[in-house]
Amino acid sequence: DGGITQSPKYLFRKEGQNVTLSCEQNLNHDAMYWYRQDPGQGLRLIYYSQIVNDFQKGDIAEGYSVSREKKESFPLTVTSAQKNPTAFYLCASSITGQAPYEQYFGPGTRLTVT
Amino acid sequence: LAKTTQPISMDSYEGQEVNITCSHNNIATNDYITWYQQFPSQGPRFIIQGYKTKVTNEVASLFIPADRKSSTLSLPRVSLSDTAVYYCLVGDFNTDKLIFGTGTRLQVFP
Repeated sequence: DGGITQSPKYLFRKEGQNVTLSCEQNLNHDAMYWYRQDPGQGLRLIYYSQIVNDFQKGDIAEGYSVSREKKESFPLTVTSAQKNPTAFYLCASSITGQAPYEQYFGPGTRLTVT
Repeated sequence: LAKTTQPISMDSYEGQEVNITCSHNNIATNDYITWYQQFPSQGPRFIIQGYKTKVTNEVASLFIPADRKSSTLSLPRVSLSDTAVYYCLVGDFNTDKLIFGTGTRLQVFP
């Protein structure tokens, strides 16, 4: 059963701690993405990767870091430098190079930092 | 990336057809138009994508006029389960990042 998994669904951390959110896909997609969503808002792009061992900053990359060592995995680390980390985080993946350009989203991780 | 403008919210009743229009005056030649649906606390789900004229699938239709400066998502005979936020995105998705605006919040009443 192909898809994207994110874990955990809910995550609680104390301020000042780094935390890593997991994202795994078995769709054989080349591209993967991380978004952040705040209440009542649209999604904002944090980082994206179109190929293994390469990634680019999105619109709000400050305070976040990623790695893409395997095609299937694109973990996101929320560092202590991120001033307002409490949000809903969504991972997505897509094929590249042909229409339809559809992104498949995971179920999301809700991070709460106190 | 072309900026999109869509209504903040819409109300409808079960069984009615709903049309959500998106304005994208600065659409470029290589840009596609895509609509996503999002339920609370879930990731967005792809609904439909088009380049020009009309596209139809099992859940929706997408109407794109010749100048491509706007597009209309049509949902036939909506049900309560269609209550969600609908996002219009425009871009050359082969190379561009996706930009999600605040979307249109559709509320369907019984």
